[in-house]
Amino acid sequence: GAVVSQHPSWVICKSGTSVKIECRSLDFQATTMFWYRQFPKQSLMLMATSNEGSKATYEQGVEKDKFLINHASLTLSTLTVTSAHPEDSSFYICSARVPGLAGGPGDTQYFGPGTRLTVL
Amino acid sequence: AQTVTQSQPEMSVQEAETVTLSCTYDTSESDYYLFWYKQPPSRQMILVIRQEAYKQQNATENRFSVNFQKAAKSFSLKISDSQLGDAAMYFCAYRSAWSGNTPLVFGKGTRLSVIA
Repeated sequence: GAVVSQHPSWVICKSGTSVKIECRSLDFQATTMFWYRQFPKQSLMLMATSNEGSKATYEQGVEKDKFLINHASLTLSTLTVTSAHPEDSSFYICSARVPGLAGGPGDTQYFGPGTRLTVL
Repeated sequence: AQTVTQSQPEMSVQEAETVTLSCTYDTSESDYYLFWYKQPPSRQMILVIRQEAYKQQNATENRFSVNFQKAAKSFSLKISDSQLGDAAMYFCAYRSAWSGNTPLVFGKGTRLSVIA
């Protein structure tokens, strides 16, 4: 299957600092990437949909000024948590859709390994 | 809006036995995709199996198979010959076929334990 990487896998930062998380599609070009947040023992919560070369579409309740998403190339999307606070501590997961014809593997999302963010 | 319901928060199975995880969904669309993802303790989401709604034949991947009942909007996952490595959180997911930008809609998950 397609491979999606995420970096860093784990980050600890002080309150008030900004943290950038990178998501890369390694063996395919992803026109669309998705960012999720997951709390312990819960399902994935969609934060935003990121399209290459355009502004991200944020879900209701997600602060776009706090969670900056940039999808500058077909293989890279970044999530920057600005002025992080302890309540932003969570597990962040990116996902990329393999492009292709309808009904083919292009309708499947592959996930990165996730980034555990701890804000002190 | 589409919703996905997994009514079993936790399940357990003896090693080598068979277990079935339930999933129902609600949609007014006729064309869509259904998926089962596995999330082991590493928290890496792994695609287990996918089903196209227009296909009547149930998808199968080695020990994993689904029972897709379109009229009943049901999509259960059967794991045969369960192994210790199958212990994980399993998420059922739905995706509309209408647009490539449509994200997955996830259920709340079922935690599967495998007993040696």
